Amino acid sequence: DAGVTQSPTHLIKTRGQHVTLRCSPISGHKSVSWYQQVLGQGPQFIFQYYEKEERGRGNFPDRFSARQFPNYSSELNVNALLLGDSALYLCASSERDWSGPEAFFGQGTRLTVV
Amino acid sequence: DAKTTQPTSMDCAEGRAANLPCNHSTISGNEYVYWYRQIHSQGPQYIIHGLKNNETNEMASLIITEDRKSSTLILPHATLRDTAVYYCIVRVVGGGSQGNLIFGKGTKLSVKP
Repeated sequence: DAGVTQSPTHLIKTRGQHVTLRCSPISGHKSVSWYQQVLGQGPQFIFQYYEKEERGRGNFPDRFSARQFPNYSSELNVNALLLGDSALYLCASSERDWSGPEAFFGQGTRLTVV
Repeated sequence: DAKTTQPTSMDCAEGRAANLPCNHSTISGNEYVYWYRQIHSQGPQYIIHGLKNNETNEMASLIITEDRKSSTLILPHATLRDTAVYYCIVRVVGGGSQGNLIFGKGTKLSVKP
């Protein structure tokens, strides 16, 4: 079975642009969570979606948004990119509506804003 | 903010046991202790979790003190592939944002030949 897949693996954007990151959860998993990991720090929680509904939101500005599709895949959108948005963006999937021990992380998308 | 305190870094000789401490003095009765690790450039990987009893699985053992204010993750025979950042996390088991993982900076474990 495929694990959590994220695309793209790397991308470079310019300040002020918009970016969309994509995540496909493990088959059968209905929950997707997004995390931002800045260099040298641990991952920080951004959003959680379960059954296409937002179940949790971290302390991030409104420039960050997400959605979950009927097939449980998810997109993270970031508008008006800032240099400080440069980070590894991680997606985690789980069967339940919280990131329990069954949470599996993808390899992440490395976003560089220049 | 993370509710745990971990040493910034530790070294361990290959083949020896690696003991990674974690302090969580403000842990609540309904909070579990979770351990994840992150090998360079990969997503975090679940290792083990526990509430108050010691736990063991194929990867590691988790020792939680009786007062639950601290715990130790034990890798019984560390290999070079165990070099990673290890995160100790306390979390409520439940829905919504309360159930999500709050990572600190973790402990950078370096296993040396």
